[in-house]
Amino acid sequence: NAGVTQTPKFQVLKTGQSMTLQCAQDMNHNSMYWYRQDPGMGLRLIYYSASEGTTDKGEVPNGYNVSRLNKREFSLRLESAAPSQTSVYFCASIGYLGEKLFFGSGTQLSVL
Amino acid sequence: KQEVTQIPAALSVPEGENLVLNCSFTDSAIYNLQWFRQDPGKGLTSLLLIQSSQREQTSGRLNASLDKSSGRSTLYIAASQPGDSATYLCAVNFGNEKLTFGTGTRLTIIP
Repeated sequence: NAGVTQTPKFQVLKTGQSMTLQCAQDMNHNSMYWYRQDPGMGLRLIYYSASEGTTDKGEVPNGYNVSRLNKREFSLRLESAAPSQTSVYFCASIGYLGEKLFFGSGTQLSVL
Repeated sequence: KQEVTQIPAALSVPEGENLVLNCSFTDSAIYNLQWFRQDPGKGLTSLLLIQSSQREQTSGRLNASLDKSSGRSTLYIAASQPGDSATYLCAVNFGNEKLTFGTGTRLTIIP
């Protein structure tokens, strides 16, 4: 049982480049989330998807787009990367509101 | 604004001691609260989940309590071990689809 799988684990981009972070879960969860974690700032929600076909903005959505491709997959896209987007990105999923949240292992992104 | 606070940011404790980690939140109308553990360079692992109707949850040497009226939760770790060294985060669901995280307490158990 793989849980939540994120790819890639590490990525270095130049300012202005684009990339997509992939996330997939095999637990048949309804809701999926993208967070970024920065030193001293905790985890901040970028976007979330409460169910297949829906997406909503979180606390820090600017500069990002998302796609809920199907129930399993939720991708995060940086169209034009900026140094301020250097961070660790986590994908998470949950079955229902009262259940535990499961995290992927993270993507370390550096934008030069 | 709904906020979650964890103080202190770091804590060092000799092995074998019992310890308490604190989490406070600004809105007592919560849906549930979770405690997570994060090891360096890893993702977060959920340790305990407390629903709003519950007062505490236990798993092994871990016990989490919830006091909604005072806006506080504690994570009690009994007989601490070096393997307990990690960052512990609490996250509160205020009734919407999102969790609000504290910034965590980095725990070091000294052998």
